[in-house]
Amino acid sequence: KNQVEQSPQSLIILEGKNCTLQCNYTVSPFSNLRWYKQDTGRGPVSLTIMTFSENTKSNRRYTATLDADTKQSSLHITASQLSDSASYICVVSWGNEKLTFGTGTRLTIIP
Amino acid sequence: GAGVSQTPSNKVTEKGKYVELRCDPISGHTALYWYRQSLGQGPEFLIYFQGTGAADDSGLPNDRFFAVRPEGSVSTLKIQRTERGDSAVYLCASSLPGGPTDTQYFGPGTRLTVL
Repeated sequence: KNQVEQSPQSLIILEGKNCTLQCNYTVSPFSNLRWYKQDTGRGPVSLTIMTFSENTKSNRRYTATLDADTKQSSLHITASQLSDSASYICVVSWGNEKLTFGTGTRLTIIP
Repeated sequence: GAGVSQTPSNKVTEKGKYVELRCDPISGHTALYWYRQSLGQGPEFLIYFQGTGAADDSGLPNDRFFAVRPEGSVSTLKIQRTERGDSAVYLCASSLPGGPTDTQYFGPGTRLTVL
C-alpha cells in the first residue's frame, strides 16, 4: 500500500531557530516528491518539487532533501519566522500523476 | 493574477441532500484535481481531469460522488444523498499540462458539513 509518513506530528520552536521535518514513503512507482505548506483554513502551497535524480532543492529558507534509496525526505527550515507556523505536508507523486499525501507536521513558532 | 477559487467557502446541509461544489481553476490550466481533507489529515485524492475528460477517477469513494468539467475549465463536484461521513474540506487544485513536475495550485477549499 502506498503510504507517506511524517514526523514529528507536531513541533514547537522558538523564533529564529532551525528545524527539520521528516518524511518516509512507501510509494511505487515513484515520480516525484513535493513539500507543501498549509496555513490554517487555506489550501496547500507548493514549496519544492524533487524528482528521482535530485538530492536537494532550496527555496529561500526551506531546503528539502531526498534519498530515493532509503525513501526518505527532509525539509529543513532555517532561521524560523512566526509566519512559518503552519502544517507542512509531504506529498509523493506516483503512477499517472496520483498523489499520496502525508498527514503533515504541525509547526508552531513562538516568539 | 487570480488563483484557484472555490465556491461556496462553507456549505452546511442535511443528511440525504444533494450538494454541488464549484471550482474555478487558474486560466489556462488544463489539469484539475479534486481532493478531500478530513480534520487533521492530509488531502486525499478524488479525481483528476485533463481538459474535459476525467483522466483518473479512482479516488471517488462511491457512486454518490461525481464530477464534471464540461468545457475544460470550471469543474463541479456533485455529491448525492450526503452522509455525515462526507463532512470534510473539499480542495480543488489546477496545474498546466499536469506533467510530473508541474506544480499544483490549490484553492482555499469548501468546508462541507453534513448534519
